[in-house]
Amino acid sequence: AQKVTQAQTEISVVEKEDVTLDCVYETRDTTYYLFWYKQPPSGELVFLIRRNSFDEQNEISGRYSWNFQKSTSSFNFTITASQVVDSAVYFCALKTSGTYKYIFGTGTRLKVLA
Amino acid sequence: DADVTQTPRNRITKTGKRIMLECSQTKGHDRMYWYRQDPGLGLRLIYYSFDVKDINKGEISDGYSVSRQAQAKFSLSLESAIPNQTALYFCATSDGMGQGLYEQYFGPGTRLTVT
Repeated sequence: AQKVTQAQTEISVVEKEDVTLDCVYETRDTTYYLFWYKQPPSGELVFLIRRNSFDEQNEISGRYSWNFQKSTSSFNFTITASQVVDSAVYFCALKTSGTYKYIFGTGTRLKVLA
Repeated sequence: DADVTQTPRNRITKTGKRIMLECSQTKGHDRMYWYRQDPGLGLRLIYYSFDVKDINKGEISDGYSVSRQAQAKFSLSLESAIPNQTALYFCATSDGMGQGLYEQYFGPGTRLTVT
């Protein structure tokens, strides 16, 4: 079975704090793709990053960084020096090779307080 | 201009009415999807299409139908709306050309309320 678990339903931090959003996935396939999306209060879903199963390099993009660890089936997302504009719901998703289906987690709502 | 557009953005309708949600994309992608989002449930797939002649049911297709009028257009219909179809609906596209670029790009969403 394929599954994505985002155990943190809601996180509140004060501006400038670092915050990590957890994503744990389950799949038996050896080729798969992981994604993070951001849904700000305006409602749209914005693609943030894709990671292939054969590429375990971590990635940094400005204040955002992603830690992919196949050993623990995790693909965690860290925001450094959070800002109010980071307030949103963040979704982690999984797609395996050869299937049409994207499995989404239930999302983590991040509130960054000024 | 946005790459994936949806119309209408908001709609309130009554039980039993027929509703059509439209999606257009300029990304040139061959794959298009319709999802619904309900609080606490994430996104659930309603229908997907890999090209104009290839339409498939997703996990929650009952009560919905779709039409792929062209590569760039994918419409979702609720033949007889019911209150539990009240949700946020998203159209998405992806590139299925096998280069591993499988990320989906979403439209802005349609908030549908059935009273």
